[in-house]
Amino acid sequence: ILNVEQSPQSLHVQEGDSTNFTCSFPSSNFYALHWYRWETAKSPEALFVMTLNGDEKKKGRISATLNTKEGYSYLYIKGSQPEDSATYLCARNTGNQFYFGTGTSLTVIP
Amino acid sequence: GAVVSQHPSWVICKSGTSVKIECRSLDFQATTMFWYRQFPKQSLMLMATSNEGSKATYEQGVEKDKFLINHASLTLSTLTVTSAHPEDSSFYICSAGLGKNIQYFGAGTRLSVL
Repeated sequence: ILNVEQSPQSLHVQEGDSTNFTCSFPSSNFYALHWYRWETAKSPEALFVMTLNGDEKKKGRISATLNTKEGYSYLYIKGSQPEDSATYLCARNTGNQFYFGTGTSLTVIP
Repeated sequence: GAVVSQHPSWVICKSGTSVKIECRSLDFQATTMFWYRQFPKQSLMLMATSNEGSKATYEQGVEKDKFLINHASLTLSTLTVTSAHPEDSSFYICSAGLGKNIQYFGAGTRLSVL
């Protein structure tokens, strides 16, 4: 994998459903993996920064895991709510430089 | 968390004019700020790294004479799109670095060149 790739591109789920999406990245020269939550017309909000293989982070109903050896990270949302609707971006950084995926657009239907 | 303010959020201009976009870190000092561009359905692509008190570092393929960057203080970086053309229409977003692993983003600027 040369670039940071995210799947799916978009997702519609019912309120209360749990969901997850994937970020794949080159495993060489890895420094850290970032997840951002981005609502329209707002600044991307940092959710997690993960650096170690096997890292798991949690913030409320949202959690993320990291596998640096195989180059992927999962973001999980438990019991999705309409306010979770946003684009979720992941980025890999090597030193100062961030490389972004195209994002997963999540819509939670009430 | 730290706040980065970016203005304007949306600008429409005529072809040939110049447009200035400001990026301010409101509650912290940033020696390094970053400028990204995003075309529809594509990822954020780094255009340049703005260093306080020195010249910006541009990514390959980004024209430094067209995209002028000034980072005169620890809280302000500006991007000027000179002689804008319709192909420069895009979404531009800045971030301010706080340590090696952290970037705080502005809300972005939608530029439309007629």
